[in-house]
Amino acid sequence: DAMVIQNPRYQVTQFGKPVTLSCSQTLNHNVMYWYQQKSSQAPKLLFHYYDKDFNNEADTPDNFQSRRPNTSFCFLDIRSPGLGDAAMYLCATSRESGNNEQFFGPGTRLTVL
Amino acid sequence: GNSVTQMEGPVTLSEEAFLTINCTYTATGYPSLFWYVQYPGEGLQLLLKATKADDKGSNKGFEATYRKETTSFHLEKGSVQVSDSAVYFCALSRGNAGGTSYGKLTFGQGTILTVHP
Repeated sequence: DAMVIQNPRYQVTQFGKPVTLSCSQTLNHNVMYWYQQKSSQAPKLLFHYYDKDFNNEADTPDNFQSRRPNTSFCFLDIRSPGLGDAAMYLCATSRESGNNEQFFGPGTRLTVL
Repeated sequence: GNSVTQMEGPVTLSEEAFLTINCTYTATGYPSLFWYVQYPGEGLQLLLKATKADDKGSNKGFEATYRKETTSFHLEKGSVQVSDSAVYFCALSRGNAGGTSYGKLTFGQGTILTVHP
């Protein structure tokens, strides 16, 4: 089945220690998104890629970076995690055209000690 | 700008009760409307969608009708089950002004639903 996969599902890191979260997709969608979600709140968009074109949200901290080496993979790098960065991180994809439906992965739960 | 307002929760129901979760939106033009569901510890799953006025989205016994005159997309289910316990998000999406038709999702704040046996 075509899907969005996130690894790992649970990640524990130490305060200030860089961490990378991974997302892959078999849907061949050209748009990929990273969201941060805290405590059943609405997901907050951090940035998205349209093909290789990176689009950062204005209020996304510089501590968050992303890489998309090819269509299938996208990475979220947190350079110096703080306690406030503990959250669920969701990856999503969509097609360029159509009704803008986004397909979400299962998420990575990040804990910062 | 675009915004989505959902009925505040949490909502607690007994099994087989009728469910309504209200959702209203503000947007220019004709957005696409979605309901996403999030089960504990999981990502978001699309529950249903509607892309134009008067469309009815339906899935797993849930329904919602795109009402442009009232700018609403209320979620309903005639008989809820314990397994429906989850967080429900209403969302809208519009195409980019830059010419591509993909758009960013604007979410409501989410409604926690708990169904008791």
